[in-house]
Amino acid sequence: DQQVKQNSPSLSVQEGRISILNCDYTNSMFDYFLWYKKYPAEGPTFLISISSIKDKNEDGRFTVFLNKSAKHLSLHIVPSQPGDSAVYFCAASLFKAGGTSYGKLTFGQGTILTVHP
Amino acid sequence: KAGVTQTPRYLIKTRGQQVTLSCSPISGHRSVSWYQQTPGQGLQFLFEYFSETQRNKGNFPGRFSGRQFSNSRSEMNVSTLELGDSALYLCASSYRPTENTEAFFGQGTRLTVV
Repeated sequence: DQQVKQNSPSLSVQEGRISILNCDYTNSMFDYFLWYKKYPAEGPTFLISISSIKDKNEDGRFTVFLNKSAKHLSLHIVPSQPGDSAVYFCAASLFKAGGTSYGKLTFGQGTILTVHP
Repeated sequence: KAGVTQTPRYLIKTRGQQVTLSCSPISGHRSVSWYQQTPGQGLQFLFEYFSETQRNKGNFPGRFSGRQFSNSRSEMNVSTLELGDSALYLCASSYRPTENTEAFFGQGTRLTVV
């Protein structure tokens, strides 16, 4: 049962345009969401996160939007640059006081972003 | 500030052997999590340690184990290696253990089982 899904395996964008990466989740208990960027044979690099009490978070060229009713989040990159070409993962976490959810991130399958010069 | 350090970066083992991977978290981080990345299954959670205690475990067989030391460094061990254990093993560390917070990943250890 895949609780976090990235339905687009790949996305191709022209330099300077907007890149929009999408992610859907099924577990309404998730309360924190993150986006990571990953190059082959390297560890994921943290980009941006959002708590479930917010619907938007911005950091420079990166903005994450959260639509809880639709169980959907998206990452916007504006403007896109060739160096942004990588695999992007969304991840979700669940915090339960006194529970056993600590430290666990549930990842989507990733979207390969290619930004053409 | 140094990042998360994983050693070794690459490892080749024979089926049936055992392997130990090491992870040094970011200074001050007390929570360490381990993940396995394979082409077919993506990034899968293995386990999480905090203050030398395993607080959470993913759906992996008992051949996968870990531990954390008093300086927060962590090791994971895989016994009786199988071909399907070939993967990139990633370690992540976090600062706040009881709140949602971002996790920072190391470069990973690429394990190949032949």
